[in-house]
Amino acid sequence: GAVVSQHPSWVICKSGTSVKIECRSLDFQATTMFWYRQFPKQSLMLMATSNEGSKATYEQGVEKDKFLINHASLTLSTLTVTSAHPEDSSFYICSAAEETQYFGPGTRLLVL
Amino acid sequence: RKEVEQDPGPFNVPEGATVAFNCTYSNSASQSFFWYRQDCRKEPKLLMSVYSSGNEDGRFTAQLNRASQYISLLIRDSKLSDSATYLCVAGMAGKSTFGDGTTLTVKP
Repeated sequence: GAVVSQHPSWVICKSGTSVKIECRSLDFQATTMFWYRQFPKQSLMLMATSNEGSKATYEQGVEKDKFLINHASLTLSTLTVTSAHPEDSSFYICSAAEETQYFGPGTRLLVL
Repeated sequence: RKEVEQDPGPFNVPEGATVAFNCTYSNSASQSFFWYRQDCRKEPKLLMSVYSSGNEDGRFTAQLNRASQYISLLIRDSKLSDSATYLCVAGMAGKSTFGDGTTLTVKP
């Protein structure tokens, strides 16, 4: 099946810093990628839809100025958590779709 | 009400048991349906797609009832390795909505 990679897999940072997470589709081109967040023992919540060459579409309640999404190419989307705070600590997962949706391995963010 | 609702579980079953998971979705415009498996601290992985005609893959059978907006997953002869959280997904226009998941623990 298709492969989606994420980098980094783990991030520990101080409160107030910004963190960039990369999502790459390795063997196919993805005009659309999705960013999810999952808190412990909860379901995946869609944060935004990343569209290549255009602005991302954010879900209700997700601050677009805090979670910056850039989809600069057909194989790369980035999510930047700006001025991260402890409540932003979570598991961030991206996905890209061909016929079915393939998920990256996720990035665990811990903000101290 | 959540868009996709699942049995909360957890399900604790012995090896060899048959276990069934249920899921309902509220958006009648949903077009695609899946079951994903998520192991602890890992990303979800596609288990199988779900069709109205039913879909069987080895020990796993998935069923969709569009009239009732109901999705099911049946696992026969469960193995220890089946222990995981199973996520029901309803999708439309490329966007997927996940249920909270049902946790299954298969014990020896």
